[in-house]
Amino acid sequence: GDSVTQMEGPVTLSEEAFLTINCTYTATGYPSLFWYVQYPGEGLQLLLKATKADDKGSNKGFEATYRKETTSFHLEKGSVQVSDSAVYFCALSEPDSWGKLQFGAGTQVVVTP
Amino acid sequence: ETGVTQSPTHLIKTRGQQVTLRCSSQSGHNTVSWYQQALGQGPQFIFQYYREEENGRGNFPPRFSGLQFPNYSSELNVNALELDDSALYLCASSLGGAESNQPQHFGDGTRLSIL
Repeated sequence: GDSVTQMEGPVTLSEEAFLTINCTYTATGYPSLFWYVQYPGEGLQLLLKATKADDKGSNKGFEATYRKETTSFHLEKGSVQVSDSAVYFCALSEPDSWGKLQFGAGTQVVVTP
Repeated sequence: ETGVTQSPTHLIKTRGQQVTLRCSSQSGHNTVSWYQQALGQGPQFIFQYYREEENGRGNFPPRFSGLQFPNYSSELNVNALELDDSALYLCASSLGGAESNQPQHFGDGTRLSIL
């Protein structure tokens, strides 16, 4: 079956550091890939998405590129802020699945001043 | 545009009781999905509703059931509550269709605690 694997957290960084969160997936088809962010006490917010190989999703300084050859969708940000502290979830949705999401376990990111 | 709203925000129940959680979908969305997020884990798909019919179900027992109403709002019902049902329950809405790649929009969830 489908699965998403993320690097374990917590990831602790200083402000303005570079952030990478690794995500790899296993899927039977050619899924759409997503990054969602969850701030404390809140639901999930879509951060970015990519729907086909070599697509790059970007939003709020975050980027991720759909790499079919390595089945990966790593999240990056060049300079993090304290406000980026949150839990980040990688997810996939298979074609013809009505958008149903398969999530990774999440990676907590803590940014210190 | 009104986002996804869920009620209540918090709920405490005891084992064996029944619970109903509610969700109002985002304006214009006709599909509602429910997810269970245990502490420290990623959300797990429970089921999805489209035009008042169940449209796919995850690996959850029949005591998890749901409804969708003509205005596309939805309920999640859980019978015979167990301690392991303690979790954050998330509702997500989208503009549905089998080939739709429209992203799901999530509410803030209902935190259910079972004592």
